[in-house]
Amino acid sequence: GAGVSQSPSNKVTEKGKDVELRCDPISGHTALYWYRQSLGQGLEFLIYFQGNSAPDKSGLPSDRFSAERTGGSVSTLTIQRTQQEDSAVYLCASSLAGTANTGELFFGEGSRLTVL
Amino acid sequence: AQSVTQPDIHITVSEGASLELRCNYSYGATPYLFWYVQSPGQGLQLLLKYFSGDTLVQGIKGFEAEFKRSQSSFNLRKPSVHWSDAAEYFCAVGAPTGRRALTFGSGTRLQVQP
Repeated sequence: GAGVSQSPSNKVTEKGKDVELRCDPISGHTALYWYRQSLGQGLEFLIYFQGNSAPDKSGLPSDRFSAERTGGSVSTLTIQRTQQEDSAVYLCASSLAGTANTGELFFGEGSRLTVL
Repeated sequence: AQSVTQPDIHITVSEGASLELRCNYSYGATPYLFWYVQSPGQGLQLLLKYFSGDTLVQGIKGFEAEFKRSQSSFNLRKPSVHWSDAAEYFCAVGAPTGRRALTFGSGTRLQVQP
């Protein structure tokens, strides 16, 4: 597709279960970002990839959160032992830029996670 | 550390009226500044950005923003609002060092009355 694709678009899970969220960036975009948007709050930065490496993972809220990117393309965000406070919309973005801050970010429509 | 404050959570304007959305940033030097818009059911889209130079920048959809160093502000403006401008608007700041991703504000939800 032409844009950033995220799946699933909606995920309902029970507390304590693990979830995986997938992001397929725009082809050729070297930078990939994960943000979290909670109700009534702004976008909270989680992790930034440049190629397959993550120069900045300072935003991951706990060790239950991890992310990987393979082949410089698809990324997976994994949340282990989900908690109710993990409920949010998880946004993925990609960029052509070689640095974290100068390029236009292209966002996907997000994966809405609800933890019961 | 970089941070962004959008003091207005929700703003309502009449169609055809002018608009100004406030954004204040905190950063030790001149940062890179951005405005994004999130329309219902859509992903965020870049409206405009400021890196350096002319402090008044023009964006898409008739929006503009002015960087004021003395006030640490980057307010978004539009002279005449259209009903289709109803959306959530996010200001973002980036450090010129390039090692950290953008920091976004909490957003301002714009409602447009007919």
